[in-house]
Amino acid sequence: NAGVTQTPKFQVLKTGQSMTLQCAQDMNHNSMYWYRQDPGMGLRLIYYSASEGTTDKGEVPNGYNVSRLNKREFSLRLESAAPSQTSVYFCASSWYPGQGATNYGYTFGSGTRLTVV
Amino acid sequence: DAKTTQPNSMESNEEEPVHLPCNHSTISGTDYIHWYRQLPSQGPEYVIHGLTSNVNNRMASLAIAEDRKSSTLILHRATLRDAAVYYCILRGIANFNKFYFGSGTKLNVKP
Repeated sequence: NAGVTQTPKFQVLKTGQSMTLQCAQDMNHNSMYWYRQDPGMGLRLIYYSASEGTTDKGEVPNGYNVSRLNKREFSLRLESAAPSQTSVYFCASSWYPGQGATNYGYTFGSGTRLTVV
Repeated sequence: DAKTTQPNSMESNEEEPVHLPCNHSTISGTDYIHWYRQLPSQGPEYVIHGLTSNVNNRMASLAIAEDRKSSTLILHRATLRDAAVYYCILRGIANFNKFYFGSGTKLNVKP
């Protein structure tokens, strides 16, 4: 039972480079999320996907794009990385009302540590 | 969105109970109270959640005030592994997909 898998675990980018962070879940959850966590801070929501085929902005969407590739996978893309995007990125998934679950808690991945120089 | 207020940090001795408070005076009737914790260098993990009644699971207990304006996460016997940041979050119809994390309570457990 893998849960939420994020790749890569670590990445160093130069300013202006692009990259895609991958996330996959095997729990048949409908909803998926991307958060970032800066040192000493709480998590901030970047984008979320309530269900396959839909995506919406969170608190801090600027500089990012997302793709809900299928029910399992939700990717986060940085088109032109900036030092301000140095952070730890977490992907999460959750049941959504109507899926028959009673626990709507999130399951998080272990994170991608991104440094932009 | 309803907000939560938690102390920045707390300290406990190993094998003693820990009570982590959370105030949420603007909670709405449909908001669930969720608790997560984040161990060092890891992603947050679900601890417990409740609506009105007190809840117990293998990790912790959640005590919810009768007026639901506050709640307390109870770790019955703290271990060194319980040292983490604990987040109290409200999840309701209005913010179901926008799970906002505050800065949480950093729990230090002393041997």
